[in-house]
Amino acid sequence: EAAVTQSPRSKVAVTGGKVTLSCHQTNNHDYMYWYRQDTGHGLRLIHYSYVADSTEKGDIPDGYKASRPSQENFSLILELASLSQTAVYFCASSGDGYAEQFFGPGTRLTVL
Amino acid sequence: AQSVTQPDARVTVSEGASLQLRCKYSYSGTPYLFWYVQYPRQGLQLLLKYYSGDPVVQGVNGFEAEFIKSNSSFHLRKASVHWSDSAVYFCAVSASSGSWQLIFGSGTQLTVMP
Repeated sequence: EAAVTQSPRSKVAVTGGKVTLSCHQTNNHDYMYWYRQDTGHGLRLIHYSYVADSTEKGDIPDGYKASRPSQENFSLILELASLSQTAVYFCASSGDGYAEQFFGPGTRLTVL
Repeated sequence: AQSVTQPDARVTVSEGASLQLRCKYSYSGTPYLFWYVQYPRQGLQLLLKYYSGDPVVQGVNGFEAEFIKSNSSFHLRKASVHWSDSAVYFCAVSASSGSWQLIFGSGTQLTVMP
């Protein structure tokens, strides 16, 4: 069965600190995505990747970096965390850009 | 550019009642359409998808949706809801060519009263 895992599942960070969220998939999918979900809102795309060692900007990339060191792993990096980045972050993977996406369980990030 | 509108932020129904959650999309070409469900503190799970063919698509747990191109709609339906259907439901659209990006609606919180 397709599987996307995320770590950590929750994190408390201080303003100005560095945060790294990790995502691992065993689906053998080329595409991976990072989304942000704010309370009462849908998902917004931050970064995505369709091949290892390459990342692309989504709709809201400011304040975030991404890294895709291998097909299986995709990280989201907040170099200087800010209060406004408090949200739930979801990772997803898909076989191609038009196919259904498989989501991880999410990481709840609180920036204080 | 694509967009998705879910006009009902919250819907409450009684157990055993029928359900329709509305979704309208904006896209000039042929869309790929999806419904996802999110249970509390979990990731999104695919309920059903439409790529082409029969406009009525069946999904898991008795859900179905109908693609009506003339109305740019993809409403989700269920004949008889169960309390365990309480969750947030997201409609999403992606392009069939060119920019592939998946665009989500804002979601509908469904509460099923026992």
